[in-house]
Amino acid sequence: EAGVAQSPRYKIIEKRQSVAFWCNPISGHATLYWYQQILGQGPKLLIQFQNNGVVDDSQLPKDRFSAERLKGVDSTLKIQPAKLEDSAVYLCASSLDGTGFSYTFGSGTRLTVV
Amino acid sequence: AQSVSQHNHHVILSEAASLELGCNYSYGGTVNLFWYVQYPGQHLQLLLKYFSGDPLVKGIKGFEAEFIKSKFSFNLRKPSVQWSDTAEYFCAVNADNAGNMLTFGGGTRLMVKP
Repeated sequence: EAGVAQSPRYKIIEKRQSVAFWCNPISGHATLYWYQQILGQGPKLLIQFQNNGVVDDSQLPKDRFSAERLKGVDSTLKIQPAKLEDSAVYLCASSLDGTGFSYTFGSGTRLTVV
Repeated sequence: AQSVSQHNHHVILSEAASLELGCNYSYGGTVNLFWYVQYPGQHLQLLLKYFSGDPLVKGIKGFEAEFIKSKFSFNLRKPSVQWSDTAEYFCAVNADNAGNMLTFGGGTRLMVKP
């Protein structure tokens, strides 16, 4: 079974620039999550999609972060404009619904804002 | 909102030593509990999970964890660690009022000396 694909693996940008991350979940997984993992901390949920609808985006800084999952499959997370404190690993995960509870995480995108 | 505490941020052990990593959560309702591992340069992987039933759960690679409801704890154990267990370990909780959202602890970085 193919895993959760994320790209790019690494990104370095200057503050106030914009950046986008891409995620392709495991085929058939209806639920997709974006987590932010700041160095030295555990992952924190940013947004959860069920198919192409948003289930929970309460912890997404909506003034600068946006995410979409237009066709209910792959997803993009955008930051505009980036701040220094956005430096983190952005993890995408997906899960099946109603079959227990099991995430599969991608390898993440490491963002450095300078 | 629930929170998860991992008291040991860094642990250094010699091979064959026993391991116990602490995890406590703050939520009085029903929870699902998880331990994830992140090997250097790799994505988060599920070690084990507890939903219900026997509070002593066994996972992959000889790891086990015990859910003690009265102590709000879910400590991870392994009788004899190996150099290959060097990784970062994250405890995570899903509360029954949080949909599929996972709340992670801050992680424990384990180094096993050969």
